[in-house]
Amino acid sequence: AQTVTQSQPEMSVQEAETVTLSCTYDTSESDYYLFWYKQPPSRQMILVIRQEAYKQQNATENRFSVNFQKAAKSFSLKISDSQLGDAAMYFCAYTEDSNYQLIWGAGTKLIIKP
Amino acid sequence: DTGVSQDPRHKITKRGQNVTFRCDPISEHNRLYWYRQTLGQGPEFLTYFQNEAQLEKSRLLSDRFSAERPKGSFSTLEIQRTEQGDSAMYLCASSSGLAGAHEQYFGPGTRLTVT
Repeated sequence: AQTVTQSQPEMSVQEAETVTLSCTYDTSESDYYLFWYKQPPSRQMILVIRQEAYKQQNATENRFSVNFQKAAKSFSLKISDSQLGDAAMYFCAYTEDSNYQLIWGAGTKLIIKP
Repeated sequence: DTGVSQDPRHKITKRGQNVTFRCDPISEHNRLYWYRQTLGQGPEFLTYFQNEAQLEKSRLLSDRFSAERPKGSFSTLEIQRTEQGDSAMYLCASSSGLAGAHEQYFGPGTRLTVT
């Protein structure tokens, strides 16, 4: 069965600096999709960035970028120029064409220090 | 586009009572999902609809849980004879169903507290 692992329960970073959140996954599929979602305290889950496994180029969305290493089954999220509004739980999630449910990691709590 | 909405946002009920939650997906999204999230954990998949058809149901979903999407638009999730272990956030999400568009968009959730 597919699994997603986030090994960092909590990370902290100084405002304006860069932080990287880790995610690894296990699958025997070759085509799949990976996502990072953000969940601020008491607020809804927001899609941050997506990556298709068939694409070699790493996805970027403004200050957010991923380092997708397919062979290593690793999908880390880099947040540049961290802002106070980035404070949230960050979840890594996986899905594939044949199974539409998202499989989630346990999350990483990101703390931004002013 | 108003996003995914859920009602109610909070529900407190006594053990043994039935509760029903509603989800309105993004218009024209034909896929709808229900997840359950407990504090400090990632969401757990409960069930999935494509249009009005319920195509997948987690083994986590006991017989006390039932979900419907009668006209392929809004969906309801009912929990019968609630138990304290049902206390959680119930999340609804939708996706377009277009080829390769697997990203899911979430509503604000319904927080259920069973006393």
